[in-house]
Amino acid sequence: KAGVTQTPRYLIKTRGQQVTLSCSPISGHRSVSWYQQTPGQGLQFLFEYFSETQRNKGNFPGRFSGRQFSNSRSEMNVSTLELGDSALYLCASSSKVAGGAFGEQFFGPGTRLTVL
Amino acid sequence: DQQVKQNSPSLSVQEGRISILNCDYTNSMFDYFLWYKKYPAEGPTFLISISSIKDKNEDGRFTVFLNKSAKHLSLHIVPSQPGDSAVYFCAASAYGVTGTASKLTFGTGTRLQVTL
Repeated sequence: KAGVTQTPRYLIKTRGQQVTLSCSPISGHRSVSWYQQTPGQGLQFLFEYFSETQRNKGNFPGRFSGRQFSNSRSEMNVSTLELGDSALYLCASSSKVAGGAFGEQFFGPGTRLTVL
Repeated sequence: DQQVKQNSPSLSVQEGRISILNCDYTNSMFDYFLWYKKYPAEGPTFLISISSIKDKNEDGRFTVFLNKSAKHLSLHIVPSQPGDSAVYFCAASAYGVTGTASKLTFGTGTRLQVTL
């Protein structure tokens, strides 16, 4: 099975611009989560989508939004970029295992966003 | 408020010896714990997990121990190999009664270096 893919891998934007990142989960996985990784804060949860619905949300401002399509692909959008948004954005997918619970999340390589 | 803490930012161990990485959590609702390994420029890779109904889970050279009363878990790597050099993240999740996935809360990571 192909792993989680994220595009683009690297992105440079300037303050005030907006950006859209894309994530394709592992085939058959319906849950997609997004995380922000920064050197000081580690990995911080942004949101999770399941069957095109946002199911969980972290503590990020409304400038961060996402969506999921019927094929489980997901996009994340950040509007009015700030310098502090420079980070590695990771997408992860997971599926239900026997018993109904979700198993571990599988991560993509991430998109490195630099805001100048 | 950091609900999952990895108090050692780095650890150096000689090849062949045991590596012990520690993790503490504060949220008593967490009932599923995972360890991820991360190399530079790659997304985290799942290593091993443990449910709160167990106190130990073993997979090859990797063993995770959970002490619920102390809200503490540890990852043991025996024997340590140079290829184990990476950043290790502890993560926790609260599945809840519905068995649906919840967000992963990550620690800030421990950089393990295995020396020859």
